[in-house]
Amino acid sequence: DTEVTQTPKHLVMGMTNKKSLKCEQHMGHRAMYWYKQKAKKPPELMFVYSYEKLSINESVPSRFSPECPNSSLLNLHLHALQPEDSALYLCASSQDNRYSSNQPQHFGDGTRLSIL
Amino acid sequence: GNSVTQMEGPVTLSEEAFLTINCTYTATGYPSLFWYVQYPGEGLQLLLKATKADDKGSNKGFEATYRKETTSFHLEKGSVQVSDSAVYFCALRSGYSTLTFGKGTMLLVSP
Repeated sequence: DTEVTQTPKHLVMGMTNKKSLKCEQHMGHRAMYWYKQKAKKPPELMFVYSYEKLSINESVPSRFSPECPNSSLLNLHLHALQPEDSALYLCASSQDNRYSSNQPQHFGDGTRLSIL
Repeated sequence: GNSVTQMEGPVTLSEEAFLTINCTYTATGYPSLFWYVQYPGEGLQLLLKATKADDKGSNKGFEATYRKETTSFHLEKGSVQVSDSAVYFCALRSGYSTLTFGKGTMLLVSP
């Protein structure tokens, strides 16, 4: 069982839809991450939140909009996505990113997103 | 910059065979090293880690030793099982950087 919970597990949406992915952790971690993973590839970092503030945006298109309402929750709002955005979206958390380089990231099971 | 190089897969083994998956790295400073495993349809799970030279990480029969002189962190298991079939990612983190992953190695174990 993972300690990082992601919902929904699967999502199919059209290119004009608006949807949100949700992530929750209760380990007291203050850094949270969104990754995109295509088949047979490693995860690619999208966003990092540290103490609920966005600290890294890896030049992600604006059709992806992250939000961190509190220290346990992380959302990814989706709008006007393209077929190439179909992928597994993974959330992760760790102790504070800035001072804990030896602390691992803990991943959820992901949301498998398909864009029609 | 940081980089991780893993052996190309898939690695195909029979049950109870010995496993080695090679991983070498390039990093600034003194990185921490990790192995993650991804089973089909799941997210990544931390398998083991090592935070300084000569540390040995171990878990579920898997081991890896942090070798600074050869910049390596090879994953080994003495006797694999069918249930070990998965994709294995070597990763590092150095200073304030985020995780850098290798490309992943698929392991297929047959009965």
